[in-house]
Amino acid sequence: NAGVTQTPKFRVLKTGQSMTLLCAQDMNHEYMYWYRQDPGMGLRLIHYSVGEGTTAKGEVPDGYNVSRLKKQNFLLGLESAAPSQTSVYFCASSYRTGSYEQYFGPGTRLTVT
Amino acid sequence: GEDVEQSLFLSVREGDSSVINCTYTDSSSTYLYWYKQEPGAGLQLLTYIFSNMDMKQDQRLTVLLNKKDKHLSLRIADTQTGDSAIYFCAESTSGTYKYIFGTGTRLKVLA
Repeated sequence: NAGVTQTPKFRVLKTGQSMTLLCAQDMNHEYMYWYRQDPGMGLRLIHYSVGEGTTAKGEVPDGYNVSRLKKQNFLLGLESAAPSQTSVYFCASSYRTGSYEQYFGPGTRLTVT
Repeated sequence: GEDVEQSLFLSVREGDSSVINCTYTDSSSTYLYWYKQEPGAGLQLLTYIFSNMDMKQDQRLTVLLNKKDKHLSLRIADTQTGDSAIYFCAESTSGTYKYIFGTGTRLKVLA
């Protein structure tokens, strides 16, 4: 099993450009999450999904959109990138039962200039 | 709202024990977790404890939970340089998506 994979690993955008980050998991997890990690602030939840076709806002959703058309994929979109969105983005997934431990992808380092 | 707090830094000498502490506010927490993040990588689950347990041991790792004080600790015995990383405490509530992470404690192991 590959676990949770993210593409791309690195990206540099200019202000106003758009992009999509792809997360894929092969563990048949129901729940999927997008976080951003900034120095000294830990992980902040952007959006999450509790199943195929469903999405919901997390703690810091502004400026981002998500889609979960297939159970194994969770896409994070930035429609008009801003320097404040410079961050490391992590995708995670978990079962909706049991001990709920989250499995993380390796991260995408995004710089917006 | 719910919060999870950790100190930001801890420095220990190789071979000593490390103790990383965490406090949380959500009394409905079901599971509490410790994750490790090495440089340039995602978070990796180290261990977790169910809220009705007091202690869990897994090789060099010991987790202690004081539910009354809402205090969680991770002890790493015989700390090695490979243990240098950021350690995150997290809590979840059964039946919900809710998952709260602390800010992480950066452990530095001195040779």
